[in-house]
Amino acid sequence: GDSVTQMEGPVTLSEEAFLTINCTYTATGYPSLFWYVQYPGEGLQLLLKATKADDKGSNKGFEATYRKETTSFHLEKGSVQVSDSAVYFCALIPNQAGTALIFGKGTTLSVSS
Amino acid sequence: EPEVTQTPSHQVTQMGQEVILRCVPISNHLYFYWYRQILGQKVEFLVSFYNNEISEKSEIFDDQFSVERPDGSNFTLKIRSTKLEDSAMYFCASSPIRTGNNEQFFGPGTRLTVL
Repeated sequence: GDSVTQMEGPVTLSEEAFLTINCTYTATGYPSLFWYVQYPGEGLQLLLKATKADDKGSNKGFEATYRKETTSFHLEKGSVQVSDSAVYFCALIPNQAGTALIFGKGTTLSVSS
Repeated sequence: EPEVTQTPSHQVTQMGQEVILRCVPISNHLYFYWYRQILGQKVEFLVSFYNNEISEKSEIFDDQFSVERPDGSNFTLKIRSTKLEDSAMYFCASSPIRTGNNEQFFGPGTRLTVL
């Protein structure tokens, strides 16, 4: 069935370091892809999304490109801040007819100053 | 900024008891969802709800579960007879429209502990 696999955490970085969190997916058809972020004590928030191949989603300095050939949607940021410390979830909706999100396990990012 | 709220933040119950988890979606949203995350595992879809009826549900959402929109603001998840394996974080979400790429707005979650 449809699934999302993301790199295990925790990821620990120093401020201003480059961030990559890998995400790959398995899906039939043409899924929409998402990154959600959860800050401590809060709900999941949409960080960015891409709905078709080669689309790049971006927000708050984060980027991810929908790569159909490698079934990937890796999250990147050029220079992380302490405030980026959170749990990051990669997710997909399998096709345009459905709305149920399928999530990866989440990756905890910890950034120190 | 409008947000989804959930109560309680933490619920502890004895196995076999009924629990009701409550959510207040964003006021002009039409689609409502419940997800859960067992500790150390993935966030899993349970059910979606629109126009006072279930529109999708997962295999997890068996006869022990039910959802209701009892009034114009609340959206509830009831577990009739809790089991140890129901211990998890339960997230409510809402969205204004139903498309495959819509944003779902999540609440902070209710941590359910079944003893």
